[in-house]
Amino acid sequence: AQSVTQPDIHITVSEGASLELRCNYSYGATPYLFWYVQSPGQGLQLLLKYFSGDTLVQGIKGFEAEFKRSQSSFNLRKPSVHWSDAAEYFCAVVGRGNNDMRFGAGTRLTVKP
Amino acid sequence: DAGVTQSPTHLIKTRGQQVTLRCSPKSGHDTVSWYQQALGQGPQFIFQYYEEEERQRGNFPDRFSGHQFPNYSSELNVNALLLGDSALYLCASSYGTSNTETQYFGPGTRLLVL
Repeated sequence: AQSVTQPDIHITVSEGASLELRCNYSYGATPYLFWYVQSPGQGLQLLLKYFSGDTLVQGIKGFEAEFKRSQSSFNLRKPSVHWSDAAEYFCAVVGRGNNDMRFGAGTRLTVKP
Repeated sequence: DAGVTQSPTHLIKTRGQQVTLRCSPKSGHDTVSWYQQALGQGPQFIFQYYEEEERQRGNFPDRFSGHQFPNYSSELNVNALLLGDSALYLCASSYGTSNTETQYFGPGTRLLVL
């Protein structure tokens, strides 16, 4: 079955510290992979996406993600977190050839001053 | 340039009623997708509309239906509301139906069914 797992429901980091949010997927073939961020009262905003090629993907707001086929993972990273990064983060996958995008349950990020 | 807009922002209905939610896509976009986001969950794909036709559908019952108008705006209709239909309903727009196109999401309509 196609699924996306975000193992961490809630993460707290100090401002300026590094961040890694985990994402694992189960899919028949390598899907397209995405990370979205959702702030309260806002829609989802795309941070970055991976289709093929270089497995390290750069996104907006200083985020990057690394695709690891052997681990079926697509973890999101940021070297130094800002207070404005506090939000809900969603990993998503979609199969090549369909539009049924599957989202993980999300990881809520809290940033301590 | 307006992004994706949705109306209303909030809605309260009772079980068995019907509801219509509306979405205007980002300028230049012709494809609209709808998602249901239950509290504490990620969004779930309901369906996608392109050229006024439903192109793909997720695992939702026929109580969920939609429409796309010639100006690319879209409506989501839910009949015979259940308590479990309470959720944030998100609309996303893109240009074309390719899943490599970036989807832009609206702020959502929060539906509460009592």
